[in-house]
Amino acid sequence: AQSVAQPEDQVNVAEGNPLTVKCTYSVSGNPYLFWYVQYPNRGLQFLLKYITGDNLVKGSYGFEAEFNKSQTSFHLKKPSALVSDSALYFCAVRVYILTGGGNKLTFGTGTQLKVEL
Amino acid sequence: KAGVTQTPRYLIKTRGQQVTLSCSPISGHRSVSWYQQTPGQGLQFLFEYFSETQRNKGNFPGRFSGRQFSNSRSEMNVSTLELGDSALYLCASSSSQSGGADTQYFGPGTRLTVL
Repeated sequence: AQSVAQPEDQVNVAEGNPLTVKCTYSVSGNPYLFWYVQYPNRGLQFLLKYITGDNLVKGSYGFEAEFNKSQTSFHLKKPSALVSDSALYFCAVRVYILTGGGNKLTFGTGTQLKVEL
Repeated sequence: KAGVTQTPRYLIKTRGQQVTLSCSPISGHRSVSWYQQTPGQGLQFLFEYFSETQRNKGNFPGRFSGRQFSNSRSEMNVSTLELGDSALYLCASSSSQSGGADTQYFGPGTRLTVL
């Protein structure tokens, strides 16, 4: 079975400072990893994904994430946080299946990011 | 391209009733997945449809069902509603064929409240 852990319920950071939102995963096989963001009363908005190749993935709105296979982590980062980045962030994993396929995503519990002036 | 659309956006029902939610995927996307989001359980996978066939199913009771039409639009139905069914129901679409790495794009969700 696959699982995702987001160890921090909330992360507080001052505007202009770098931010990190942590994610670790557990899968049998090669993972596809995703980050989504959710603003109040909205659906999930795709930020970035890791499939294969370069361990540093760049995504929307200046976000990036680093895939670390030995630590089974996929932390989300941004060099300089904005107040508008305040939202709920979800990490998700999908395992590649050679046959049968399927798009089931397993999500972490979410991390509330609060960026303050 | 237009994004994923879900109707209605809000629903209020009473226990014992049934409800049908609708999802229109991004044009050209053939896979539609449904998720339930609650404060206690987080985001949980309900089921996925691809080419009118259910391809995956999560751990939900049989009261939860779905279907997909030939134009890829999907509906999910919940019968005999319980208070615990109150949640945000999210639909996601992707162009994935099989085991692919395609991104799922989510709709705004339907907020279901069961009284």
